[in-house]
Amino acid sequence: AQSVTQPDIHITVSEGASLELRCNYSYGATPYLFWYVQSPGQGLQLLLKYFSGDTLVQGIKGFEAEFKRSQSSFNLRKPSVHWSDAAEYFCAALPGSARQLTFGSGTQLTVLP
Amino acid sequence: SQTIHQWPATLVQPVGSPLSLECTVEGTSNPNLYWYRQAAGRGLQLLFYSVGIGQISSEVPQNLSASRPQDRQFILSSKKLLLSDSGFYLCAWTPEPGGETQYFGPGTRLLVL
Repeated sequence: AQSVTQPDIHITVSEGASLELRCNYSYGATPYLFWYVQSPGQGLQLLLKYFSGDTLVQGIKGFEAEFKRSQSSFNLRKPSVHWSDAAEYFCAALPGSARQLTFGSGTQLTVLP
Repeated sequence: SQTIHQWPATLVQPVGSPLSLECTVEGTSNPNLYWYRQAAGRGLQLLFYSVGIGQISSEVPQNLSASRPQDRQFILSSKKLLLSDSGFYLCAWTPEPGGETQYFGPGTRLLVL
């Protein structure tokens, strides 16, 4: 079945440390891939997206993601986390022929001072 | 620039009462529109999507319904709310043509008592 998996439900990092959030997808062909961030009580904000081309994608707020076809992964990274990055992060996929996004279950990020 | 609005921001309703949530998009025409629900501790569930006025596709059978009376207006309704309808309701839109990226509104928090 087509799906998006975020293996980590909750991640805790110290401010200034590096961050990597994992995302794996299961589709016959490479879908369009997205990362969104949701602060408490807020809507989802698009961080970055991958459609094709360069496999390292730069996004807003200093985030980047790397698409790896061989691993069916699209992991989100940030070199140095800020306290304001504490939020829930969602990976999502859109198959080329579909209109509906499929979301992962989300990863809650806690940032320690 | 395009913006998306949702109201109300928060709603507390008794079981069995009706519901009407509104979503409007500004600065674009003929968008695809989506309603999602996010229950506590869960990911996002697509409820309805619309590709045009009067065109509604339902993804999950339930006591909710959606309507699109105008190009940039999307309404989520219920005749009788259930406790299980509590959650965070998000509206999203994509520009057409070529609308792969969904942009989300600020959401409505619904508590059914």
